[in-house]
Amino acid sequence: GQQVMQIPQYQHVQEGEDFTTYCNSSTTLSNIQWYKQRPGGHPVFLIQLVKSGEVKKQKRLTFQFGEAKKNSSLHITATQTTDVGTYFCAGGSSASKIIFGSGTRLSIRP
Amino acid sequence: EAQVTQNPRYLITVTGKKLTVTCSQNMNHEYMSWYRQDPGLGLRQIYYSMNVEVTDKGDVPEGYKVSRKEKRNFPLILESPSPNQTSLYFCASTPGWATSTDTQYFGPGTRLTVL
Repeated sequence: GQQVMQIPQYQHVQEGEDFTTYCNSSTTLSNIQWYKQRPGGHPVFLIQLVKSGEVKKQKRLTFQFGEAKKNSSLHITATQTTDVGTYFCAGGSSASKIIFGSGTRLSIRP
Repeated sequence: EAQVTQNPRYLITVTGKKLTVTCSQNMNHEYMSWYRQDPGLGLRQIYYSMNVEVTDKGDVPEGYKVSRKEKRNFPLILESPSPNQTSLYFCASTPGWATSTDTQYFGPGTRLTVL
């Protein structure tokens, strides 16, 4: 069946360093969503990408959707302690189906 | 306040004792779903519902039941819980039925332990 792989599983960075997480799908996606889950919290929607090659920015966060619509990345510039949490990608394969990646847990040394 | 609520938030039970986790949303959303979250596995969909009286299996439906008698409620039922159903459960809702292109709003989660 369809899989969405996400790497790395963990990332520990010094505050101020950059962070990137990657998602790869075994099949072409209709779209991809990104969520953030703070420790002890629930997933919260960040953004959705739909078009091939699309790039969107939210302040220090940059989201990319690959040309083949099979991969995506989230890059955080100059991490802050408020960025701590687990970041999930979720790929849409059909109108009613979405597959989550396993998540990347980001921790930060102040 | 627009929200998805789940009850209970924490539950410890024993093998075989039927339980229900309730989920309710006040946003008049069409689509609702249940996920379980386990370390290293991310969020896996258990069941989803595109409308009242319409439910379908997700990726890991074994051992679970759901119902959608009203638009706002989507309870998750474990008829005979087993220890491998120990997990963190999230209910989510989406405005339209096309969940893959709509934002999902998650409830606060229910941490279930089956002894």
